[in-house]
Amino acid sequence: KQEVTQIPAALSVPEGENLVLNCSFTDSAIYNLQWFRQDPGKGLTSLLLIQSSQREQTSGRLNASLDKSSGRSTLYIAASQPGDSATYLCAVPTSGSARQLTFGSGTQLTVLP
Amino acid sequence: DTGVSQNPRHKITKRGQNVTFRCDPISEHNRLYWYRQTLGQGPEFLTYFQNEAQLEKSRLLSDRFSAERPKGSFSTLEIQRTEQGDSAMYLCASSSARLAGDRTDTQYFGPGTRLTVL
Repeated sequence: KQEVTQIPAALSVPEGENLVLNCSFTDSAIYNLQWFRQDPGKGLTSLLLIQSSQREQTSGRLNASLDKSSGRSTLYIAASQPGDSATYLCAVPTSGSARQLTFGSGTQLTVLP
Repeated sequence: DTGVSQNPRHKITKRGQNVTFRCDPISEHNRLYWYRQTLGQGPEFLTYFQNEAQLEKSRLLSDRFSAERPKGSFSTLEIQRTEQGDSAMYLCASSSARLAGDRTDTQYFGPGTRLTVL
């Protein structure tokens, strides 16, 4: 059964700092991994999708890496801004399913001005 | 706006009542998903449609829950005889797959419907 863990559960940093969010998953037989952002009371916004054949994906100040063999992914945010404050969720395909995603509980990020 | 839309955004109901939520996916997206999210947790998968066919259902989807996508466009999620434990955010997502076995598609989420059962 696929399980996804995100550490830390909450993180508070001063503006301008670079930071790393961690995601680990138990079943490494995945074909992709997604990172999402969720603002309070809102839906999810897809940030990056990494295919299993890739090791990194970049979008602006965001860089996501994937190490399938160790069951880990990281989301690196450069030069953080107060507008980056949100909950960040990672998701991988559920074991034995074609389309289900299993999500972590998220990391709640606060960037202080 | 061409994103995923959900209605209503908020629903307050009394225990035992039936509720129905609607999801309009991104135009021409052939895949549609329903998830449920409780406070402090990530979303949990409920069900998935490819066009009008409901291909996967989670064990979370008890017999009080039913979802439809009659014409392969919008979808409805109905909860009968609501219980307080049904209080959650119900999220809909859609994606576009060029081929039936495509596993590279990104899921795009709507704003959700927040259900409160009193």
